[in-house]
Amino acid sequence: DGGITQSPKYLFRKEGQNVTLSCEQNLNHDAMYWYRQDPGQGLRLIYYSQIVNDFQKGDIAEGYSVSREKKESFPLTVTSAQKNPTAFYLCASTPTTGSYGYTFGSGTRLTVV
Amino acid sequence: KNEVEQSPQNLTAQEGEFITINCSYSVGISALHWLQQHPGGGIVSLFMLSSGKKKHGRLIATINIQEKHSSLHITASHPRDSAVYICAVITSGSRLTFGEGTQLTVNP
Repeated sequence: DGGITQSPKYLFRKEGQNVTLSCEQNLNHDAMYWYRQDPGQGLRLIYYSQIVNDFQKGDIAEGYSVSREKKESFPLTVTSAQKNPTAFYLCASTPTTGSYGYTFGSGTRLTVV
Repeated sequence: KNEVEQSPQNLTAQEGEFITINCSYSVGISALHWLQQHPGGGIVSLFMLSSGKKKHGRLIATINIQEKHSSLHITASHPRDSAVYICAVITSGSRLTFGEGTQLTVNP
């Protein structure tokens, strides 16, 4: 079955280290998204990509970087510049940028100690 | 004020009860999602609707575009329905704006 795979499910890192979260989809979707979830807050958009080799900043892009070298993959790097990196990170995709049918991954919970 | 407001924030019910979760939004939308998030964190889309009403099993979702309001109903609730339910609206360019979620606990 097609879907989105995020790995790992739980990730622990020391403060000051960069860490990369994986997001892979086999849905042949063009658009992919990264969201961050904090307790008591709605999900917020970090970065999105409408097509390979192109991506745009979302609402809270500072301290994060992404790449989109392949259609199936949209990894997110949490850099040491991100002041509060501990959070739940969710990847999603849609068939095209204008599509309303979202598919979500199972998420990665990042804890920075 | 958030663009998407959900109520209640927390809801505890007894098995078998009828449950309603509300979502109000203040922006123009193209469509609205009701999402379910289980304790592990993964999110599943329950419904996507832009008008009227949709039903799937014991779940019913309605939307009133004029009043900018949507409701999610669960009939004959069961402990396995315990989860966070999130309302998300699609605005320009198919971007999602999320509500904070409603934590539902159904006790046996």
